[in-house]
Amino acid sequence: EADIYQTPRYLVIGTGKKITLECSQTMGHDKMYWYQQDPGMELHLIHYSYGVNSTEKGDLSSESTVSRIRTEHFPLTLESARPSHTSQYLCASSKGTGEQFFGPGTRLTVL
Amino acid sequence: QKEVEQNSGPLSVPEGAIASLNCTYSDRGSQSFFWYRQYSGKSPELIMFIYSNGDKEDGRFTAQLNKASQYVSLLIRDSQPSDSATYLCAVNERSNDYKLSFGAGTTVTVRA
Repeated sequence: EADIYQTPRYLVIGTGKKITLECSQTMGHDKMYWYQQDPGMELHLIHYSYGVNSTEKGDLSSESTVSRIRTEHFPLTLESARPSHTSQYLCASSKGTGEQFFGPGTRLTVL
Repeated sequence: QKEVEQNSGPLSVPEGAIASLNCTYSDRGSQSFFWYRQYSGKSPELIMFIYSNGDKEDGRFTAQLNKASQYVSLLIRDSQPSDSATYLCAVNERSNDYKLSFGAGTTVTVRA
């Protein structure tokens, strides 16, 4: 059973606000990922990390930023939210064999 | 050409039938292949992985891999209404083992 947590689960916020989406895992996985997924659409990788102090941009350009100060924690920040950021954000972590385990997701709505 | 392509669906099967899902990939160097199930409004859940050519069975699920043809499939035997979901094929990138490329998914509906 994957133990990966995301908060908040749902967030409705106004344009221009700064937000941080939290992701934590208790499995000791080195590798963590953020994906963006619109309803009924594909997953898009926006950020990933292979360990503490390691972060990389993914395949989809994103205005968000991430940090990895602790192995278990991989927060995603939007400095100034816009309606175009409305989406579901999924965090995942991975052990050495490659399979990724997903958190429950944060559904973000920017008004 | 997309890196991972799946039959677009939707796929509708009667309860008790076999659902067959197909996936092709473009990177001949890929070594790891995964199938995820995603219920509407939920996050993807890993159901199968396969690394070697041939078949791998887990309960009612069978994954099949043919690296020469760059093809991976998922069979769901004795389909149940609870199997109604979108199934995502994922393939590791040769240049980066820990990144996965996901297909767009095939939506399966099992009719009772």
